[in-house]
Amino acid sequence: ETGVTQSPTHLIKTRGQQVTLRCSSQSGHNTVSWYQQALGQGPQFIFQYYREEENGRGNFPPRFSGLQFPNYSSELNVNALELDDSALYLCASSLKGLNTGELFFGEGSRLTVL
Amino acid sequence: GEDVEQSLFLSVREGDSSVINCTYTDSSSTYLYWYKQEPGAGLQLLTYIFSNMDMKQDQRLTVLLNKKDKHLSLRIADTQTGDSAIYFCAEALNRDDKIIFGKGTRLHILP
Repeated sequence: ETGVTQSPTHLIKTRGQQVTLRCSSQSGHNTVSWYQQALGQGPQFIFQYYREEENGRGNFPPRFSGLQFPNYSSELNVNALELDDSALYLCASSLKGLNTGELFFGEGSRLTVL
Repeated sequence: GEDVEQSLFLSVREGDSSVINCTYTDSSSTYLYWYKQEPGAGLQLLTYIFSNMDMKQDQRLTVLLNKKDKHLSLRIADTQTGDSAIYFCAEALNRDDKIIFGKGTRLHILP
């Protein structure tokens, strides 16, 4: 049990729709990162939020956006969904970025785009 | 460039040691991680090592880091059926605060 919780656990959307995924970080952690894990692949870094601002971004288009709230929880928003967006979306929490080495993941939100 | 490579499959007999290997390319890595993923689940942090260390042991797990060769290994002693999973090697890049994952090694336990 990492203390990182994500919702929803599963959801199905159709092409062109928008989705919001949510993450509550582990108590005491102030940084949230989001990863996309396609079937059979390793997780790919989407972006990281620290102190409510984006603090690093991977190779994902602008239709992937996020927010971090004062309580350090976070949302991942994906607009104009495409079939290739079907994946497991993982949230990870840490303290002050990666300097402590501790990076704990939630169980993920599995998104299916039809 | 940024790349983490690991073999895709490993079969080991129950009770033997498993050794999962990984190579990475970025010399600015700060931490190197091993995560375990069981079917349908998220990532479980098994262990991590700071880049200025060369070995870390935690119960049945031993991590070896050869920074010169950019090679990381995870040894699981006395492998059990519950160790069957996909193991991901990952490196944390200091310059832009992201983690690069390998594609994962599927560990299969033979009876």
